[in-house]
Amino acid sequence: DTGVSQDPRHKITKRGQNVTFRCDPISEHNRLYWYRQTLGQGPEFLTYFQNEAQLEKSRLLSDRFSAERPKGSFSTLEIQRTEQGDSAMYLCASSHRVSNEQYFGPGTRLTVT
Amino acid sequence: GEDVEQSLFLSVREGDSSVINCTYTDSSSTYLYWYKQEPGAGLQLLTYIFSNMDMKQDQRLTVLLNKKDKHLSLRIADTQTGDSAIYFCAEISNFGNEKLTFGTGTRLTIIP
Repeated sequence: DTGVSQDPRHKITKRGQNVTFRCDPISEHNRLYWYRQTLGQGPEFLTYFQNEAQLEKSRLLSDRFSAERPKGSFSTLEIQRTEQGDSAMYLCASSHRVSNEQYFGPGTRLTVT
Repeated sequence: GEDVEQSLFLSVREGDSSVINCTYTDSSSTYLYWYKQEPGAGLQLLTYIFSNMDMKQDQRLTVLLNKKDKHLSLRIADTQTGDSAIYFCAEISNFGNEKLTFGTGTRLTIIP
């Protein structure tokens, strides 16, 4: 079991550009979550998938954000027209459907200049 | 909405016990968690407790839950330098909502 992986680990982009992050959950985990963590704060929930279905989205997820999990395995999070306020660590977590334990990946740190 | 509060900093001498405290507001919390985050890293699940339990022990870690006061604590026995990190308390609500609500984290510093 290799754990949750995220790619890239770091991304620097100019304001207005689009970025896409990828998350590969632990195999056989059918639930996948995205969180955002800004400096000095705890992670905040963005969205959650069960298999390929996106079941909940936070109000933090503006129209510029979109997440997909097309085959119920890996997931992508896209941010369009990035703003400086999007600079944060984006964390992915996964869990098995019969478990209450969420396991986190190492995160993707986004810096918008 | 749900709110989880933690003190920001704690300093403990190596070998002593550390006690990290957390309060929450959601009376429908079903599970409460402790995560550890080292610099530049993701979150490591340390332990969790179901809301109908008062205490859970796992090696050097002891979790105490006072549901009446909505107070959760994590005790780390024989604190070591490797325990230096930020510790987050988190909860999941009872209403079929799968999201974790986190506190702001407590930075634990070990004094040699």
